[in-house]
Amino acid sequence: NAGVTQTPKFRVLKTGQSMTLLCAQDMNHEYMYWYRQDPGMGLRLIHYSVGEGTTAKGEVPDGYNVSRLKKQNFLLGLESAAPSQTSVYFCASRGTGGASYEQYFGPGTRLTVT
Amino acid sequence: ELKVEQNPLFLSMQEGKNYTIYCNYSTTSDRLYWYRQDPGKSLESLFVLLSNGAVKQEGRLMASLDTKARLSTLHITAAVHDLSATYFCAVDMADYKLSFGAGTTVTVRA
Repeated sequence: NAGVTQTPKFRVLKTGQSMTLLCAQDMNHEYMYWYRQDPGMGLRLIHYSVGEGTTAKGEVPDGYNVSRLKKQNFLLGLESAAPSQTSVYFCASRGTGGASYEQYFGPGTRLTVT
Repeated sequence: ELKVEQNPLFLSMQEGKNYTIYCNYSTTSDRLYWYRQDPGKSLESLFVLLSNGAVKQEGRLMASLDTKARLSTLHITAAVHDLSATYFCAVDMADYKLSFGAGTTVTVRA
């Protein structure tokens, strides 16, 4: 049981390049989230999904796209990277019902855009 | 828009003394979470507070929730070096989204 995993762990991009971050969870959770963490600002929600095939915007969605084609995977895409997207990205998942109140976080992806 | 404010943002603790971190939030919510983050690491869940008056304790940490005052506190008893980390509170919103505070960076000195 790996929980929430993220690929890659580190990445350096040049301005204008594109990339996709992959989040995978093996807990059969319905809800998945992408956050970014910048110094002094806590975590901010980028996009989220309430189930397979669904996506919705969070607090800071501009410059990002997401897809949830399979329940266990949630992809975050940067079509044209900008230096302002230099950040640490965390994926999280959460179940529904019962005592499934916790969000489980992945290990993070550290992205630098030069 | 839900705002979550933590204070202080930086806390220098002396070993053996007691301290409190405060988390205020701006709109109604019945669930509040505390996380710990070590440098370069992910978030580790400390407490999930599910209702007004909830109190949870683990070791030297105790968290409480007052939903009427929209306030949660994280109390640290007899600080030790291992507690040095950044602590975040987060509040539940619709669709189980979390709104985070900015974090409190704790340093424990001898």
